[in-house]
Amino acid sequence: GAGVSQSPSNKVTEKGKDVELRCDPISGHTALYWYRQSLGQGLEFLIYFQGNSAPDKSGLPSDRFSAERTGGSVSTLTIQRTQQEDSAVYLCASSSPVRPEQFFGPGTRLTVL
Amino acid sequence: LAKTTQPISMDSYEGQEVNITCSHNNIATNDYITWYQQFPSQGPRFIIQGYKTKVTNEVASLFIPADRKSSTLSLPRVSLSDTAVYYCLVGDGDWMDSSYKLIFGSGTRLLVRP
Repeated sequence: GAGVSQSPSNKVTEKGKDVELRCDPISGHTALYWYRQSLGQGLEFLIYFQGNSAPDKSGLPSDRFSAERTGGSVSTLTIQRTQQEDSAVYLCASSSPVRPEQFFGPGTRLTVL
Repeated sequence: LAKTTQPISMDSYEGQEVNITCSHNNIATNDYITWYQQFPSQGPRFIIQGYKTKVTNEVASLFIPADRKSSTLSLPRVSLSDTAVYYCLVGDGDWMDSSYKLIFGSGTRLLVRP
């Protein structure tokens, strides 16, 4: 596709359930980013993948959050035992090898009941 | 960490020039300064990026003083459709490293009135 895609666009889950959010970056982009945005707030950086290097996971808010990037392309953000405070829009972005400009996906709106 | 500070909100009128300043006192030598625009229910969209001095593209200009501790996004002749949140972004470290952390400012809500 032409841009970054994310799925699902919306996810409603019950407290305590696990969720998986998917990001498909732009083809050829080696860097991939995950952010979280709560209602009316700015973006909170979560994690960054560069190529096949191991990411720095220290931006993840708790050990219930994990992220993987398979084959240097698709990424999955997993939230275990979801809590109500996890409700937010989760944004993914990717960038090319030569410029740090990021292209954002439409986001996944997560609602934890 | 390179932290950014922006005004929370700004008001303007159609046709005016708008200047939004971002402070980033701890910017690192190899950091770029990037500005993004975000409309409700959408992901941020890249506006402009610079390292020093002045950068201009078809939609905006970016002014960066010599000490790089601040930057100013200039939007010429704004229209109603420029009403959005504008974010200043400075990286922390070398963006080619997996330990790179990106710091978005709190964002500036720009309201353009008719």
